[in-house]
Amino acid sequence: NAGVMQNPRHLVRRRGQEARLRCSPMKGHSHVYWYRQLPEEGLKFMVYLQKENIIDESGMPKERFSAEFPKEGPSILRIQQVVRGDSAAYFCASSPGRTDNSPLHFGNGTRLTVT
Amino acid sequence: SQQGEEDPQALSIQEGENATMNCSYKTSINNLQWYRQNSGRGLVHLILIRSNEREKHSGRLRVTLDTSKKSSSLLITASRAADTASYFCATSGYNTDKLIFGTGTRLQVFP
Repeated sequence: NAGVMQNPRHLVRRRGQEARLRCSPMKGHSHVYWYRQLPEEGLKFMVYLQKENIIDESGMPKERFSAEFPKEGPSILRIQQVVRGDSAAYFCASSPGRTDNSPLHFGNGTRLTVT
Repeated sequence: SQQGEEDPQALSIQEGENATMNCSYKTSINNLQWYRQNSGRGLVHLILIRSNEREKHSGRLRVTLDTSKKSSSLLITASRAADTASYFCATSGYNTDKLIFGTGTRLQVFP
């Protein structure tokens, strides 16, 4: 079974460009989570999605950030008009059910650098 | 703000020694989970302990949970150089599906 696949592994964008991060969950997993990690820090929750629905986006900045998990295809985290402060590692995780019963399976992350 | 705070922030030990990491959290939880992260990689789930459990074992790992003190500990026995990684606790609440992660403990095991 393939694990959670994230691409690209590394992404460099200039200030003002758009960044698109992709996440394919494990087979059979319908719950997807996005987290952001700054160097030497823990993970900060951004958004939780199920197929075609955003369940909890309380950790997402109100502007420039959006996420989707369409019926077909990977989940996408989109950052418009990137700024230097967006530079971080972005991790996607998936689970087959709720976190009260199921642990998360993480991808290896996308490291975004904004120049 | 982060739910969990790990202590210590960093820990260096020799192979064969035991490593203990502590996690404190602030609100009621449904379960608490421990994850490991190797440098440059994603997190790997180690163990899940529910709020009605006090202790759980998995191989060389032993996790305790004290809900009255809102704290948990992770003990790695007979550590190996390959255990070198960052370790994070994460809590799941009753009214939310998201996992909130702590700040992590960086463990270095010297051969």
